Amino acid sequence: GAVVSQHPSRVICKSGTSVKIECRSLDFQATTMFWYRQFPKQSLMLMATSNEGSKATYEQGVEKDKFLINHASLTLSTLTVTSAHPEDSSFYICSARGPGQDYEQYFGPGTRLTVT
Amino acid sequence: LAKTTQPISMDSYEGQEVNITCSHNNIATNDYITWYQQFPSQGPRFIIQGYKTKVTNEVASLFIPADRKSSTLSLPRVSLSDTAVYYCLVGDGIGGFKTIFGAGTRLFVKA
Repeated sequence: GAVVSQHPSRVICKSGTSVKIECRSLDFQATTMFWYRQFPKQSLMLMATSNEGSKATYEQGVEKDKFLINHASLTLSTLTVTSAHPEDSSFYICSARGPGQDYEQYFGPGTRLTVT
Repeated sequence: LAKTTQPISMDSYEGQEVNITCSHNNIATNDYITWYQQFPSQGPRFIIQGYKTKVTNEVASLFIPADRKSSTLSLPRVSLSDTAVYYCLVGDGIGGFKTIFGAGTRLFVKA
């Protein structure tokens, strides 16, 4: 099946710094990718929908200036957490729709962000 | 997007069949029903997807009644490694598919 990777798998950063997380579709082209955030013992919360070549669509309550999303190619979307704070510590997961009429979403392994 | 309701948690024993039912009363004509499995600190993994009646693959079966207002994920002969959170999702697979996760069902398989 289709594979989605994320890098890094975990990152620790200091408060006030920015962190970039990459999401790649390894063996297919993904025109649409999704970014989620998951806190411990909670469900995944959709943050934004990333479309190749256009601006991302953010869910209500998600600050677009804080969570910068760039989908510059059909295989890469990036999420940059700007001026990170301890409350941004979470598990970030990306996913991509399969090619063609495949309605299945393929999820990345997630990135554990810890802000100290 | 149709909202889904699942039991918060379920317990089972190894070797038993587990059925997890999901309610989605407001499912739309174009909506598909998809189930995912998630282990701690991992991304969700696709289990099965269906539109109506019954779908079976190598790991599970999905039963969908005629009115499609609910669906049941059936896991045959569970093992300890099936302990995970199971999510039922309903969404429009035709263009702009956006996945909204509900609370999920935490399945705990005991020896």
